Amino acid sequence: QSALTQPASVSGSPGQSITISCTGTSSDVGGYNYVSWYQQHPGKAPKLMIYDVSNRPSGVSNRFSGSKSGNTASLTISGLQAEDEADYYCSSYASSSTLVFGGGTKLTVL
Amino acid sequence: QLQLQESGPGLVKPSETLSLTCTVSGGSISRSSYYWGWIRQPPGKGLEWIGSIYYSGSTYYNPSLKSRVTISVDTSKNQFSLKLSSVTAADTAVYYCASQKGSTWIHLWPFDYWGQGTLVTVSS
Repeated sequence: QSALTQPASVSGSPGQSITISCTGTSSDVGGYNYVSWYQQHPGKAPKLMIYDVSNRPSGVSNRFSGSKSGNTASLTISGLQAEDEADYYCSSYASSSTLVFGGGTKLTVL
Repeated sequence: QLQLQESGPGLVKPSETLSLTCTVSGGSISRSSYYWGWIRQPPGKGLEWIGSIYYSGSTYYNPSLKSRVTISVDTSKNQFSLKLSSVTAADTAVYYCASQKGSTWIHLWPFDYWGQGTLVTVSS
């Protein structure tokens, strides 16, 4: 069970859009529509932002959207704001009834 | 709204067993469509799923930790617990408990509510 692959860092200016990728295999991301995304600010617990590839929990801004193509899932944040600066983690259900996380991506708002 | 709170020793000696408890408030741990999970995060590193449990006692574990992990539930106290045996310095991490709500067949649903986390250091 290997971790999903995310870029270590991404950056963007306020108002811009950014996309964070999350690459797995056919045994996890590619095999199931059960990818989630979490936002984590320093010293805080993670917060669920997207579940089941593209669904937003109640209260999460519609600036956050998710998608998937093959073995790669993506999180897009539009209209970047300073408060979006945080670490982002993807997670996927994987075969043999397990969960796997990505290594995390640090988003910097310039 | 659910609230979860981790509790347990912040320092554990190498080779001993790490024990943590998560107390759930704001709702019953026995509700259907909820699993309850443990996740850890070593300092400066990413998240790692440890395992999850249903109120009936049904469990799922991370294969890489399965031989050392036991997760149990006490419905009378609205708590679930984690035991990790034979710990080493590599087990030093912030340990989170979280709820997992869903309805699909996978059972390992997204983590929707999280505790604040508790740092456990393994050191002699």
